Amino acid sequence: DIVMTQTPLSSPVTLGQPASVSCRSSQSLVHIDGNTYLSWLQQRPGQPPRLLIYKISNRFSGVPDRFSGSGAGTNFTLKISRVEAEDVGVYYCTQATQFPHTFGQGTKLEIK
Amino acid sequence: QVQLVESGGGVVQPGRSLRLSCAASGFTFNSYAMHWVRQAPGKGLEWVAVISYDGSDKHYADSVKGRFTISRDNSKNTLHLQMNSLRAEDTAAYYCARDRYGVPFEYWGQGTLVTVSS
Repeated sequence: DIVMTQTPLSSPVTLGQPASVSCRSSQSLVHIDGNTYLSWLQQRPGQPPRLLIYKISNRFSGVPDRFSGSGAGTNFTLKISRVEAEDVGVYYCTQATQFPHTFGQGTKLEIK
Repeated sequence: QVQLVESGGGVVQPGRSLRLSCAASGFTFNSYAMHWVRQAPGKGLEWVAVISYDGSDKHYADSVKGRFTISRDNSKNTLHLQMNSLRAEDTAAYYCARDRYGVPFEYWGQGTLVTVSS
């Protein structure tokens, strides 16, 4: 199974400041079709997860442009350019390149 | 708009069975693969199973293989998860999620809570 490792596990951030989460996979996420199925999810307190980013860097419908994704191969990053209060929650990376699909442990974003 | 509504959760004794359902609306259900993902209380996300758009292809997490069965009724726009031989470690909120090729976990339901306890 592909292991997804996120850092940090907790990130206190000041409103208006940037934040980033790293995700490393135990093997390459490049699929035989040439795509890399690495996504980022946000889970606000008491809510189901919500898709933010798919295929490394594609923002899902309705996701603010302060969220961006980057990376390749086994190393990926989610960046928030200016954190807002509504961004509080847990962020997960996930891979759908191979079965079983797997998730990172989650990174808790909180406001200082 | 896309809507996914899970049901069927509850409290069940170890070793017993439970069947979860996910009612889909707002899209052409029979065109999309569907997942079940679970989350134990206070823990992270764990992928459970996926079924192809027509039900011909299914994959499971090792932790549920042989005990859980994913299925779908495209005539009723409904996804199911039959859970047998339940264990305490199956206690979790269970979410269904839509999969568009290249965009997994595109939309999520609100979840249904399963508690396995004697």
